[in-house]
Amino acid sequence: QVHLVESGGGVVQPGRSLRLSCAASGFTFSTYGMHWVRQAPGKGLEGVAVISDDGSNKYYADAVKGRFTISRDNSKNTLYLQLNSLRPEDTAVYYCAKDHSSSCGSWGQGTLVTVSS
Amino acid sequence: DIQMTQSPSSLSASVGDRVTITCRASQSISTYLNWYQQRPGKAPKLLIYTASSLQTGVPSRFSGSGSGTEFTLTISRLQPADFATYYCQQSYGTPPWTFGQGTLVENK
Repeated sequence: QVHLVESGGGVVQPGRSLRLSCAASGFTFSTYGMHWVRQAPGKGLEGVAVISDDGSNKYYADAVKGRFTISRDNSKNTLYLQLNSLRPEDTAVYYCAKDHSSSCGSWGQGTLVTVSS
Repeated sequence: DIQMTQSPSSLSASVGDRVTITCRASQSISTYLNWYQQRPGKAPKLLIYTASSLQTGVPSRFSGSGSGTEFTLTISRLQPADFATYYCQQSYGTPPWTFGQGTLVENK
């Protein structure tokens, strides 16, 4: 059974950094692409970043390009999202998801990032 | 960027009703269209991928259709657990892929 657990969220001041983690279990992590998707309070879903199974290909939404970095450690079955130069508009619940035929097939429970002074 | 527009934004329905939600893409996306359900306070859940493929474990009352720019999600007989928000997502071209704005299905 696929299990994804995000961590690392919290309250952070504008301009500061944060690193989110997503611990994966129940599947062969190294053979799947992975996604980060966020949801601002009361708003819809927004794809943030995607990484290929071996980490060689990474893709970002325009809103976070140059500020966020997606990475993975297949030896630890863990996905990461480094968030730099945070802005109030980055406030959201951040979900990691396992790819399934070019969709987000399984999701974690999410971790809340609040950017506020 | 490909824009996804869902209609309606919200609807009221009763248990047992047939419900249809439409999703339109700003350009042709073949059948690269996914549907998700999100209950309040919960993570989204994949229902349908590649326009019409039912995700494992999803009840057969859910179905998807369409290709090109117009797609539909149909719930054949609405159940109490189905009151939720539904999102479409295009997965055509370079990720991350865009979502529709969501459709809230409320209890009439």
